[in-house]
Amino acid sequence: SAVISQKPSRDICQRGTSLTIQCQVDSQVTMMFWYRQQPGQSLTLIATANQGSEATYESGFVIDKFPISRPNLTFSTLTVSNMSPEDSSIYLCSVVPGDTYEQYFGPGTRLTVT
Amino acid sequence: KQEVTQIPAALSVPEGENLVLNCSFTDSAIYNLQWFRQDPGKGLTSLLLIQSSQREQTSGRLNASLDKSSGRSTLYIAASQPGDSATYLCAVSNTGNQFYFGTGTSLTVIP
Repeated sequence: SAVISQKPSRDICQRGTSLTIQCQVDSQVTMMFWYRQQPGQSLTLIATANQGSEATYESGFVIDKFPISRPNLTFSTLTVSNMSPEDSSIYLCSVVPGDTYEQYFGPGTRLTVT
Repeated sequence: KQEVTQIPAALSVPEGENLVLNCSFTDSAIYNLQWFRQDPGKGLTSLLLIQSSQREQTSGRLNASLDKSSGRSTLYIAASQPGDSATYLCAVSNTGNQFYFGTGTSLTVIP
């Protein structure tokens, strides 16, 4: 299993600004994922962030808008850049720590853009 | 591309009732299937993981079954309680490193 923390838990931001979300895991994991969950919707994968390689972005998400860092096996950041109200969502990080490929999630960051 | 559907989208039951949530997927070549619970505004809590070689998994009042050939999984909740009220999501993995989520079932258990 894995215990994941995220900071901040929530934030209200102005249009045009950027927010960096941190994800900390209590153990070393190779695979880490960033998801977005818009109001009333299911989860959409933004990118896969494996340590030692560049993040892999899903269709519709670009590095300039959502830069990701993965400096080590227990930590990652996702930045939401030049925010607009459409970016208002819950942002979740998850990890897959073992060979059973069971996925564990952080508590999420609730972002509101005004 | 794998598509995951959950029916019903919402369900309201009286306390004590047994209930079944459904999850269907289009590509039967899965690696595993996982059921999650999500409380409003919160992250996801893993409930049960079923590997492709397994038929079911049980944890307390929860039982999840998997029928790969028909592309279906069910989550059975026995003797429902108000604390079970949440959104339940299923997720399918085809390769172990890519996951597809269903749209969720919002469950309300009425005291």
